[in-house]
Amino acid sequence: GAGVSQTPSNKVTEKGKYVELRCDPISGHTALYWYRQSLGQGPEFLIYFQGTGAADDSGLPNDRFFAVRPEGSVSTLKIQRTERGDSAVYLCASSPREGAYNEQFFGPGTRLTVL
Amino acid sequence: QKEVEQNSGPLSVPEGAIASLNCTYSDRGSQSFFWYRQYSGKSPELIMFIYSNGDKEDGRFTAQLNKASQYVSLLIRDSQPSDSATYLCAVNSPKDSSYKLIFGSGTRLLVRP
Repeated sequence: GAGVSQTPSNKVTEKGKYVELRCDPISGHTALYWYRQSLGQGPEFLIYFQGTGAADDSGLPNDRFFAVRPEGSVSTLKIQRTERGDSAVYLCASSPREGAYNEQFFGPGTRLTVL
Repeated sequence: QKEVEQNSGPLSVPEGAIASLNCTYSDRGSQSFFWYRQYSGKSPELIMFIYSNGDKEDGRFTAQLNKASQYVSLLIRDSQPSDSATYLCAVNSPKDSSYKLIFGSGTRLLVRP
């Protein structure tokens, strides 16, 4: 079946601009996560959705970052007033289960470059 | 101390050998443990998960968990050049209801033909 999809695959923007990154999880997966990965590092947690609500947004670095999942499926990560330090690969993952035993499957990621 | 620690490598093994990748974690309450493979320029791919102490085998891969010592390992038997990648260890965080994953920085594996 289809895996997690993310669009765009690459996004180049200028400092100060607004960007939206989209994630379409595996069909039927209720749990959705956003992570961010910098070169040479493992992914770092940003936000978790259980259904439509953001159950844990403790990883968002500041209030320029926001994410929504209005219908419990597709999610959009929004970054306002982008900064060069926001450049990274943004990964979305979904899981068929919530709780401790929740294998997470990643999408291909969106590489964001802020000039 | 990092929450999840891995040797960055590279770990270089000849084709056909056993590759042994190790990971330690700091939170004794962690309940689930994952190994992801990441090829250069690609996203992480889940290859193994383990929840109970002991060994879990799947094809050429064996995951080992020792909760008392707080370490997880991944063995790759009959290593192939196509196994060359970065292997990420991830541990769930029980402190949060999200059960988010905490990742190590990864170990780069090189399998020499």
